[in-house]
Amino acid sequence: GESVGLHLPTLSVQEGDNSIINCAYSNSASDYFIWYKQESGKGPQFIIDIRSNMDKRQGQRVTVLLNKTVKHLSLQIAATQPGDSAVYFCAGAGGSYIPTFGRGTSLIVHP
Amino acid sequence: NAGVMQNPRHLVRRRGQEARLRCSPMKGHSHVYWYRQLPEEGLKFMVYLQKENIIDESGMPKERFSAEFPKEGPSILRIQQVVRGDSAAYFCASSPSTAYEQYFGPGTRLTVT
Repeated sequence: GESVGLHLPTLSVQEGDNSIINCAYSNSASDYFIWYKQESGKGPQFIIDIRSNMDKRQGQRVTVLLNKTVKHLSLQIAATQPGDSAVYFCAGAGGSYIPTFGRGTSLIVHP
Repeated sequence: NAGVMQNPRHLVRRRGQEARLRCSPMKGHSHVYWYRQLPEEGLKFMVYLQKENIIDESGMPKERFSAEFPKEGPSILRIQQVVRGDSAAYFCASSPSTAYEQYFGPGTRLTVT
């Protein structure tokens, strides 16, 4: 099955800096990856997704990079704001539509 | 358009009691997914349902847990004879079709005393 994990449990940044959250996956058959943001006491919120036939996708202030060679993806947040403080999960999905979640990275933004 | 709704938001049960968790998907969504999250862990898939059908229950414990999504009304996750290890946050998500993008509810936090 899929195994998805993040490299660091906690990431601290200064407001205005760029943040990079990394994630590794094990299943080469995964063809879809999603990043979620979860604020304290709330459910996960979809941020951005990417399919395996792409290596980069950009949203508003966020960019996801996918490196299939090393089975790695990252979420880049530009000009990080205090409202970005949350736990970020990557998830991978293969033939079924059920994503496998990693453990999460807690992003702390200092004003 | 209201999002995914879950109730209750917090549920306390004593060991041996039953817990019933409800999920109302977003309007127009006929696919429902249940996940469990332990503290500082990612979400673990439990079950995927469409109206009146269980599509995938590979993540569901074989005993004490059941789920349904009737033709009318919310989806229900039922846990019988709860034990302390059932204490967790249970999230429901919905999607309009067999699609990857799922919309999550706020979760039900179950505490077993």
